Amino acid sequence: DAGVTQSPTHLIKTRGQQVTLRCSPKSGHDTVSWYQQALGQGPQFIFQYYEEEERQRGNFPDRFSGHQFPNYSSELNVNALLLGDSALYLCASSASSGTSLYNEQFFGPGTRLTVL
Amino acid sequence: KQEVTQIPAALSVPEGENLVLNCSFTDSAIYNLQWFRQDPGKGLTSLLLIQSSQREQTSGRLNASLDKSSGRSTLYIAASQPGDSATYLCAVSNQAGTALIFGKGTTLSVSS
Repeated sequence: DAGVTQSPTHLIKTRGQQVTLRCSPKSGHDTVSWYQQALGQGPQFIFQYYEEEERQRGNFPDRFSGHQFPNYSSELNVNALLLGDSALYLCASSASSGTSLYNEQFFGPGTRLTVL
Repeated sequence: KQEVTQIPAALSVPEGENLVLNCSFTDSAIYNLQWFRQDPGKGLTSLLLIQSSQREQTSGRLNASLDKSSGRSTLYIAASQPGDSATYLCAVSNQAGTALIFGKGTTLSVSS
């Protein structure tokens, strides 16, 4: 089981550019959540995708958007990058039902985004 | 609005010591609580998950307890080792399958 995978590992962009981050969930999982973690802080919830729809959203502007594909993988897109968007972006997957895992979330290694 | 606080922010102990990390949350109506470990610049590794109906969970040298009514959880690490050095994060979920709300973490350093 490969677990949750994310790509790329690191990314450097300049202000105003757009970026796309990718996530493949753990085998058997159908729900993907994205989190932003600034240095020295706990992760902050961005949004969650289930059945290719955004099911829940945190307090992030519309510049942050996402997508979930039929194979449950997901993308996070950020437009008009700001310096403050520099962070570790974490993807987490979970199973929606039918398990004893009680929606336990498993995290990927993250993508480190640096905005210059 | 649910808020999660972790105390202390940092902790240094000698190898072999038993230690306790604390987590508190403001809204007791949680669905579950998870403890994670994060190594510098890396992703999160799930350590223990406690359902709202449970009082504690154990895995090896780790034991996590939950007191919903007081809004508290503790992570007990027995016989600490240098390899336990990392940041430990506590997170709660208010409903099944919804967002995790994290504390800022406790950074643990175990010296040999």
